[in-house]
Amino acid sequence: GQNIDQPTEMTATEGAIVQINCTYQTSGFNGLFWYQQHAGEAPTFLSYNVLDGLEEKGRFSSFLSRSKGYSYLLLKELQMKDSASYLCAVLDSNYQLIWGAGTKLIIKP
Amino acid sequence: ETGVTQTPRHLVMGMTNKKSLKCEQHLGHNAMYWYKQSAKKPLELMFVYSLEERVENNSVPSRFSPECPNSSHLFLHLHTLQPEDSALYLCASSQDWPWDRGGYTEAFFGQGTRLTVV
Repeated sequence: GQNIDQPTEMTATEGAIVQINCTYQTSGFNGLFWYQQHAGEAPTFLSYNVLDGLEEKGRFSSFLSRSKGYSYLLLKELQMKDSASYLCAVLDSNYQLIWGAGTKLIIKP
Repeated sequence: ETGVTQTPRHLVMGMTNKKSLKCEQHLGHNAMYWYKQSAKKPLELMFVYSLEERVENNSVPSRFSPECPNSSHLFLHLHTLQPEDSALYLCASSQDWPWDRGGYTEAFFGQGTRLTVV
């Protein structure tokens, strides 16, 4: 079966750095997405990786290793507004999006 | 004006009721989706419409009935639901579907309807 694994919950301190991991086992691979979802809000697109390596976008970076079936989302200079759930999703060989259950990130002052 | 708008935001309904969820997108997208989001579970794709035609129906019970009257509007008609159907129902849209036309096309989500079946 197809599976996306990410930690259920993480806690970090304001101003610090946090890395949210995502591992996947899917039938084929056509890209990996990260979305941010604040409580009671719509998921919003953060990043898309299809090639190995690090993509940086401001305070957020996303890394992909296709050979390891692994990605991480790196958040720097954490702010209280970064408290949210972070969803990892993989586009499989049939171009179906397979979603992880999300990681709830709690930021403490 | 937000890209994808869902109404109502919250809905409580009895198991014998009939209600409808509405989704509207102002992005000029060709594809629209219904997702179910339950606590601590992955998003579940329910239906996909592309150019107003249903192209995916992922084994969803018949008590959920989608309707896409035009490219900007999507409905989810609900009837005789069960308590386990209580969840956040998210609508999304993207420029195209499927996504094998040379690149990804990110999905834009609405804020969802929090449904409680009593």
